[in-house]
Order: sequence, then structure tokens, then C-alpha cells
Amino acid sequence: NAGVTQTPKFQVLKTGQSMTLQCAQDMNHEYMSWYRQDPGMGLRLIHYSVGAGITDQGEVPNGYNVSRSTTEDFPLRLLSAAPSQTSVYFCASKTSQPTDTQYFGPGTRLTVL
Amino acid sequence: GENVEQHPSTLSVQEGDSAVIKCTYSDSASNYFPWYKQELGKRPQLIIDIRSNVGEKKDQRIAVTLNKTAKHFSLHITETQPEDSAVYFCAASTGGFKTIFGAGTRLFVKA
Repeated sequence: NAGVTQTPKFQVLKTGQSMTLQCAQDMNHEYMSWYRQDPGMGLRLIHYSVGAGITDQGEVPNGYNVSRSTTEDFPLRLLSAAPSQTSVYFCASKTSQPTDTQYFGPGTRLTVL
Repeated sequence: GENVEQHPSTLSVQEGDSAVIKCTYSDSASNYFPWYKQELGKRPQLIIDIRSNVGEKKDQRIAVTLNKTAKHFSLHITETQPEDSAVYFCAASTGGFKTIFGAGTRLFVKA
């Protein structure tokens, strides 16, 4: 059981470039989420999914797209990167039970120049 | 929208003392309140959680209390040790799929 995996670990982009952050889980979890973590601001929810084919916006969705074609994968797309998107990105997953634990991936550190 | 406020942002204690971190939430429908510990460069990991039908929960040196009427919940760490030094996050969840986090508390335990 690998748990929640994320690739890449580190990425540097130039303003205006696009890229996809990958997230996968092998625990058959229905719920998956993307967070960004900035100093002094905790973890802010970008997008989440309650199952394949279903996604919704979180607190800070602008500039990011997601899709969920399979239970295992939940990629996060930056269409046109901006310096304000420099952050550490965490993917997380959990079962559909409301009070079950949320498991985090190791994170992706993104720098936009 | 939903909001979780966390205080203090930084907390420094002597080894062996207690540490208390407090959070308030805005969404009265929130029913699950996890606490995460994040060490430098690592992912957040759950340390304790409490459900809305419980007022207090304890696990060895850590305990969490919940006051639903006031929409407050707190983390208590007793007999602190240097390895407790980390950033702690509270969170509130409604229905389990949308979790909102507090801004975090950086805890320093001085030996």
C-alpha cells in the first residue's frame, strides 16, 4: 500500500507556463482533495472530489482545474502559472465516512518565476 | 463562507509544561474536528480528532475539548517534550468531504 503519492516533488515554472500536478491513491478512497500551503495561512482547500466524475470548488479555486476520471487519480492543472501560485501543494484522500481520517500525500513544492 | 480561526500563531513552553491551542469555527453544521501535526518539511498527520456528539477525548498526553454551543474546540498537550515541537493545525469538517483548516500554531518546546 503506497497510500497517497504525488509527483513531482519539486517544480519550477515560468509565468504563463502550464503544468499538471499528479496525485494517486491506492486505498480505494472516494474523497480526494487538493490544498495549498502558504506560510502563516495554513492549508487552503483548492478543489475536492467526492467520487469519479464529481468535483467541486474549495476556498481558492481560481487558476486551477481538476478532473476525476478514475477513483485512484486526481490531477491538478495550472493553466497559466502565476507567481502567486508559488506554494506547497498537498493532495489528500479519505473514505466517504464523515469522520474517517484524511491522509495526505508528501507534497509538491512549486515555484513560479 | 466557512472559517476556522486558530490561536495563538506561536507558542513557546518549557519542557514539562502544558500547551493549549484554541480554535473557533463558523459553520454550525460542522460535525468533525481533527487536529494535525506537521513537522518541518513533512506532510500533516492526524494526532487526534473529536466528533460533534462528544465533549472531550483524551489520548495519552493529548486531549481535545469541544464546546458546540460556543463553536470552540481546543487541543491540550501535557508534559510537553522537545519532540512535540511542530506546527499544529485544527480543522472543521461538514459531512466529511470539505475540511477547512486553521492557520496553524507553531509550538516550540524548550529543553
